[in-house]
Amino acid sequence: EVQLVESGGGLVQPGGSLRLSCAASGFTFSKFWMSWVRQAPGKGLECVATIKEDGSQKYYVDSVKGRFTISRDNAKTSLSLQMNSLRDEDTAVYYCASGSGSLGHSWGQGTLVTVSS
Amino acid sequence: DVVMTQSPLSLPVTLGQPASISCRSSQSLVYIDGDTYLSWFLQRPGQSPRRLIYKVSNRDSGVPDRFSGSGSGTDFTLKISRVEAEDVGFYYCMQGTYWPRTFGQGTKVEVK
Repeated sequence: EVQLVESGGGLVQPGGSLRLSCAASGFTFSKFWMSWVRQAPGKGLECVATIKEDGSQKYYVDSVKGRFTISRDNAKTSLSLQMNSLRDEDTAVYYCASGSGSLGHSWGQGTLVTVSS
Repeated sequence: DVVMTQSPLSLPVTLGQPASISCRSSQSLVYIDGDTYLSWFLQRPGQSPRRLIYKVSNRDSGVPDRFSGSGSGTDFTLKISRVEAEDVGFYYCMQGTYWPRTFGQGTKVEVK
């Protein structure tokens, strides 16, 4: 059974940092692009970062470029999102999802990030 | 960025009746490999999204055959042949041809 389990969310002050993790199991992690998708409270879905199978290519939405870094460890089948210089508008549930062009075959349960003073 | 526009944004439905959601992209979604990366998702209240359709018309495993996707270029449609109670929630289209990947605003499907 495919499982994606996010962790690391919480309350952080504006300007602070947080690192999200996603533990993957039940599929050959190293053969899939992986993405982080977020959903602000009461809003729609936004793909914020995507990484290629071997980590050699990374893509970000403009609003997080220079602040967020996506990475992966294929040996540990884990995906990470380092978030720096957090803003109020980064408040959202962050989902880990498999894929890129046909993103979203599998999703985690999400982890809530709240940026507030 | 490619803008994905869904309509309607709210869709009251009668159980057992058909329903249809439209999704239009600001650019053609045909990729250089010839495929068209348009997916549909359902997010039930309090749950993570679930992909229903990928590459326009391919149903994911376990998705009932009452769901079907069609379209080409910039115009796409998700159809439910007979709506069931478990189909209520928000439906999103998403393009995976261009960076960044972008979603439609979402269509809320609810029972009349």
